[in-house]
Amino acid sequence: NAGVTQTPKFRVLKTGQSMTLLCAQDMNHEYMYWYRQDPGMGLRLIHYSVGEGTTAKGEVPDGYNVSRLKKQNFLLGLESAAPSQTSVYFCASSSETGTQYFGPGTRLTVL
Amino acid sequence: AQSVAQPEDQVNVAEGNPLTVKCTYSVSGNPYLFWYVQYPNRGLQFLLKYITGDNLVKGSYGFEAEFNKSQTSFHLKKPSALVSDSALYFCAVRDEGGADGLTFGKGTHLIIQP
Repeated sequence: NAGVTQTPKFRVLKTGQSMTLLCAQDMNHEYMYWYRQDPGMGLRLIHYSVGEGTTAKGEVPDGYNVSRLKKQNFLLGLESAAPSQTSVYFCASSSETGTQYFGPGTRLTVL
Repeated sequence: AQSVAQPEDQVNVAEGNPLTVKCTYSVSGNPYLFWYVQYPNRGLQFLLKYITGDNLVKGSYGFEAEFNKSQTSFHLKKPSALVSDSALYFCAVRDEGGADGLTFGKGTHLIIQP
C-alpha cells in the first residue's frame, strides 16, 4: 500500500497562475482533508470531504477550490495564485475513527 | 470552537533523560486527542491517540501520553530520550462527533542533545 500520495512534490508559480494539487489514497477512507503548514502556525484546514461527491470549507478556504469526484482522489485547486499562498500543502485521509494519515506534502512557492 | 495550545516552542533534553512535551486543549464535547511527529521535509507521522478508556495511552517508538480531563491536558512523554527523537511534534484535537478535520497546535521542536 502506498498510503497517501501527493502530486507534485514541488512547484513554483507566478502570481495569477493556476494549478491543481492531486491527492490519492489507497486505504478506502471516506474522509479526506487538505491542510496548509506555515512556520510557527501549525497546520490549518483548508477544505475537507466526508465522502465521494461532497466537499466542505475548513478554517482557511479563501482562494482555494476542491473536488472529490472519486473516493480515492481529492483535488485542491488554486485559480489565481497569490504570494500569500506560498506554503507546504498536506493531504490526509481517515476512517471514522479519526486517525488521519498524511501524505508527504507539496511545497508551493508563488512569486 | 476547539483549540490546542503547545506552550513551548522548543524543548531541550539530554539523551537518556525523560522528556515531556506539553499540550492543553479545548473542545465543546468529548475530545479525540492525537500526537504526530514531523521530521524535516517529511509529512506527519501518527504517534498515538486517545479516544476513550485508559488515561495512559501508549504509542509508537516508546512514546506515551496521559489524558487528564480535569486539567484538559494531553502531555507526551518518553522515559528515556534518543537523539533520533529530535523532531517537530504536534498535538491535535477534534470533537467526538466531528468529521471536520483536526485542530493542531503550533508544534514543539524537541531537541535531544547527545
